[in-house]
Amino acid sequence: AQSVAQPEDQVNVAEGNPLTVKCTYSVSGNPYLFWYVQYPNRGLQFLLKYITGDNLVKGSYGFEAEFNKSQTSFHLKKPSALVSDSALYFCAVRDMGNTDKLIFGTGTRLQVFP
Amino acid sequence: GAVVSQHPSWVICKSGTSVKIECRSLDFQATTMFWYRQFPKQSLMLMATSNEGSKATYEQGVEKDKFLINHASLTLSTLTVTSAHPEDSSFYICSADRDWTYNEQFFGPGTRLTVL
Repeated sequence: AQSVAQPEDQVNVAEGNPLTVKCTYSVSGNPYLFWYVQYPNRGLQFLLKYITGDNLVKGSYGFEAEFNKSQTSFHLKKPSALVSDSALYFCAVRDMGNTDKLIFGTGTRLQVFP
Repeated sequence: GAVVSQHPSWVICKSGTSVKIECRSLDFQATTMFWYRQFPKQSLMLMATSNEGSKATYEQGVEKDKFLINHASLTLSTLTVTSAHPEDSSFYICSADRDWTYNEQFFGPGTRLTVL
């Protein structure tokens, strides 16, 4: 069965510092990996995805993520955090060609302090 | 492109009444639509998968008769919460698949349901 783990409920970082939000996954087939961001009382906004190709994926708002097959990880990163990045971040995996369902992690709340 | 809307954005109803939530893909035809439920400070839980013109596929533990899903066209899916009770209060989010070139789902803004 496919699953996603986000080990940190909350990540705190000072504005201007680099940030990392961790994600590991488990899937039987080829993983399609996604990061979404959710602001209060809003739906999810797509940040980036890994399907195939270069392990370093660049996405919206300066975010990037690195696919690491051996560690089954897909950590979200940003070189310099902004206060406006404070939100809830979800990692998700889709087992394409199998169930096609999108399975979400439990979410990590990012708090960027001025 | 790839905008998904939901209506209403919030609704308050009395216990025992039914509530309909609409999910529309505004600028594309959605082959598949999904309905999720999110409790406060929790992740999204997939409730059902909806394909146009066919019956929805419900996840284990989701009551089909309580959460009626109709996918009338390639741009519209509706979720009706029948005989709503306070425990049905939640944030309901829909998403849509575009086509095979987009692997990601496009999400609506969500509907906050409060049952009194």
